[in-house]
Amino acid sequence: EAGVAQSPRYKIIEKRQSVAFWCNPISGHATLYWYQQILGQGPKLLIQFQNNGVVDDSQLPKDRFSAERLKGVDSTLKIQPAKLEDSAVYLCASSALGDRTNYGYTFGSGTRLTVV
Amino acid sequence: AQSVTQPDIHITVSEGASLELRCNYSYGATPYLFWYVQSPGQGLQLLLKYFSGDTLVQGIKGFEAEFKRSQSSFNLRKPSVHWSDAAEYFCAVGDFGNEKLTFGTGTRLTIIP
Repeated sequence: EAGVAQSPRYKIIEKRQSVAFWCNPISGHATLYWYQQILGQGPKLLIQFQNNGVVDDSQLPKDRFSAERLKGVDSTLKIQPAKLEDSAVYLCASSALGDRTNYGYTFGSGTRLTVV
Repeated sequence: AQSVTQPDIHITVSEGASLELRCNYSYGATPYLFWYVQSPGQGLQLLLKYFSGDTLVQGIKGFEAEFKRSQSSFNLRKPSVHWSDAAEYFCAVGDFGNEKLTFGTGTRLTIIP
């Protein structure tokens, strides 16, 4: 099966600019996650979708970050305006809801954002 | 709240030597435990997972991990490492109910000839 697709792979922007990342999960996976991974740290959950509804966005900095999942498939994560501390790898993952046998995410390759 | 501690930030081992990466977790119920590996510039790949049953689980690439409830640990092992094992390793604890994973800070593995 095809994996989780993310684009772009790399992005360099100046602070205060805006940026958007795209994610296409594995076909049929109801749950989609965006994680932020700062250099030297483990991934931190930003937002979790189940189909096209938000399950958890408690750690999403809502003053500058937004995310949507149209029609329960693709998802876009946006940052506006970006700050230097947003430099990180943004990972998208998906999982099959309630599938205990296959529980465990499949991650995309990530988007490496550098804010200068 | 669930949490994961990986006490070793960086480990260096010789090729062919055995490996053990430590992971301690904090969770109120029976945990779902995972080990992921991340090569430079790549996403995370699942090595193995533990849900229940046999406390020794086998994964891909010759890795295994042992769940010890009394020690709240889930250490990753490999009897003989290869140069291609050099990567970052993350332990994670999950809640099947909400399917969220909490990751540790990772252990970077360096292999020397």
